[in-house]
Amino acid sequence: EVELVESGGGLVKPGGSLRLSCEASGFTFSIHGMNWVRQAPGKGLEWLSFINSNSYDTKYAESVKGRFTISRDNAKNSLYLQMNSLRVEDTAVYYCARGLGGVVMTIDYWGQGVLVTVSS
Amino acid sequence: DIQVTQSPSSLSASVGDRVTITCRASQAISHYLAWFQQKPGRAPRSLIYAASNLHSGVPSRFSGTGSGTEFTLTISSLQPEDFATYYCQQYKTYPLTFGGGTKVEIQ
Repeated sequence: EVELVESGGGLVKPGGSLRLSCEASGFTFSIHGMNWVRQAPGKGLEWLSFINSNSYDTKYAESVKGRFTISRDNAKNSLYLQMNSLRVEDTAVYYCARGLGGVVMTIDYWGQGVLVTVSS
Repeated sequence: DIQVTQSPSSLSASVGDRVTITCRASQAISHYLAWFQQKPGRAPRSLIYAASNLHSGVPSRFSGTGSGTEFTLTISSLQPEDFATYYCQQYKTYPLTFGGGTKVEIQ
């Protein structure tokens, strides 16, 4: 059974940093592209970032480009999101999600999400 | 960026009703359209990819059609567990973009 478990969320002050982790199990992590998607309170879904299976290709939404960095460790079956220069508007539930498809991937499995709150 | 617009933003329906949700892309995306279901306080669930392909375990009352710029998600006979918010997403190009969501409520 595919399982994605996020961790690392919490309360952080504006301008601060946080690193999210996503531990994968139940599938061969090293052959799948992975994504981060977030959802602000009461709002819709916002795709943030993608990393391909061997980390050679990464993509970012404009809203986080230059502030967030996606990475992965295939030996540890883990995906990461380093978030710097956090803003109040980054407050959201962050989801780790497995990619499905070819050159551009959609999502087939989602983690349960982790809450990040940016507030002074 | 490709904009994705869903309609309606909400609807009220009864158990057994046929429900249709529309998603329009700002430019042609071929069949690169996915649908997701989300219940309050829960992670999204993937329903359909490539416009019409059901993910494993998704009931056959769900179906998707369309290509180019216009797509639909149909629930042929609404069940109590189907009351949720539905999102479409284009994956023709990055950045991936989602529609604003359609909340399906009990009438």
